[in-house]
Amino acid sequence: DGGITQSPKYLFRKEGQNVTLSCEQNLNHDAMYWYRQDPGQGLRLIYYSQIVNDFQKGDIAEGYSVSREKKESFPLTVTSAQKNPTAFYLCASSIIGRVAGPSYNEQFFGPGTRLTVL
Amino acid sequence: AQTVTQSQPEMSVQEAETVTLSCTYDTSESDYYLFWYKQPPSRQMILVIRQEAYKQQNATENRFSVNFQKAAKSFSLKISDSQLGDAAMYFCAYRRNTGTASKLTFGTGTRLQVTL
Repeated sequence: DGGITQSPKYLFRKEGQNVTLSCEQNLNHDAMYWYRQDPGQGLRLIYYSQIVNDFQKGDIAEGYSVSREKKESFPLTVTSAQKNPTAFYLCASSIIGRVAGPSYNEQFFGPGTRLTVL
Repeated sequence: AQTVTQSQPEMSVQEAETVTLSCTYDTSESDYYLFWYKQPPSRQMILVIRQEAYKQQNATENRFSVNFQKAAKSFSLKISDSQLGDAAMYFCAYRRNTGTASKLTFGTGTRLQVTL
């Protein structure tokens, strides 16, 4: 089955610690994204990547870092510099390009990781 | 910057009835897509329906249809014959058609309750 996996499902962090959220996809998508969801708000983009070893900041990148060493993987590190990290984090992927056909412009989402700071 | 507004924090519909969720957006672009995503209690984001801005015909997917008014920048979702399984958060989202990776801009969501 093709899809996106995120792990862990729940993650607890002590203040001052860095934690890394995993995102893996086997859809052969070039682009991957990280979004954050807070109560009463829609999703907001943290980082995205179009190609291996390249990524761009989204709207709320401060306190986060990413890497893209493999096409299939796009881990997100929440650093101690992120002042309010408790949130639900969603990873997504998509193809790139003006290609017609079903799903050509759709972002597919993983099941998410709930991060709580203790 | 693009913005998406959902002015109904909560809506309720009786089973088998029809409900319409509202969404407005603001953009200066002419080539873009609009989406409705469903987020059930499992929190998995599920694409419900999409609309290409250059298409005048409103998109439909089974019981789900949209009313896309490009000039008014309005994109409402109609759910017909509502079912208990339709209960969820619904998010309207916008994405530029750039040919490269581009973000989804989301509204704040509408929580839909379905009653017997």
